[in-house]
Amino acid sequence: AQSVTQLGSHVSVSEGALVLLRCNYSSSVPPYLFWYVQYPNQGLQLLLKYTSAATLVKGINGFEAEFKKSETSFHLTKPSAHMSDAAEYFCAVSEGGTASKLTFGTGTRLQVTL
Amino acid sequence: GAVVSQHPSWVICKSGTSVKIECRSLDFQATTMFWYRQFPKQSLMLMATSNEGSKATYEQGVEKDKFLINHASLTLSTLTVTSAHPEDSSFYICSASPGTGDHEQYFGPGTRLTVT
Repeated sequence: AQSVTQLGSHVSVSEGALVLLRCNYSSSVPPYLFWYVQYPNQGLQLLLKYTSAATLVKGINGFEAEFKKSETSFHLTKPSAHMSDAAEYFCAVSEGGTASKLTFGTGTRLQVTL
Repeated sequence: GAVVSQHPSWVICKSGTSVKIECRSLDFQATTMFWYRQFPKQSLMLMATSNEGSKATYEQGVEKDKFLINHASLTLSTLTVTSAHPEDSSFYICSASPGTGDHEQYFGPGTRLTVT
C-alpha cells in the first residue's frame, strides 16, 4: 500500500526566504510523486511531478523537488518565497498504471509574511 | 489544455433531497475520472474511480447507493448525492485522467455542498 507523510501542517516563512515543505512516501513499487497547490475554495493545481526520469524536478512558479530514494523523500523547495505562494500544498503518490489512484498527504499550509 | 470543469461551483440543498454534480473534461477525453471529498482544512479523500461505460469502483466506507456515480461519456462524469444530510456537507472535487501514461490527473475547481 502507498502512503504519504507531510511533516508540518503549517509552515511560515518571510517573503524572500527559502521555502521547504517536507514529504516522505511509502510505496511497494517505484512511485510516481506529485506536488499540488490549492488556493482557498479552489481545486488542485499541479506544481510538479516525478515519474522516474530526472531526480531533480522543476515545476511551475519557481518550485522544484528532489526525489531521494534512499530517504524515501520528495521535499518541495523554492529559493525565495513570494506572498502569492501562500496556499495549501499537498504531496501525493501513485503506484503507476495509466490512471492509478493518488494517495494524498494531509497537506501543509504555507504562510508568507512580510 | 487539460481543463476540467465542475458544475455547480456551490449548492445549498435541504436535507432529504438529491443533488447532482457534473464533472467535464473540456479539451481531452478522460478514460478515468475520480471523485474526492475534502473536509475543511483536511486532505482529499478518494471516494470512487469511474471508467467510461463501466460501474464505478468505490473506496472502502463509501456508500455506493448514496453517492451515485455515472461516467456516461469520455468527457462527463456525474456524482449524485442522494437523500442528502447535513453530514454530507463538504467540498467535492473531481479529477480526470486521459490515460496517456503520464499518470497525471487534472482537477476540477470543486463543488461546495451545504445541506441544511
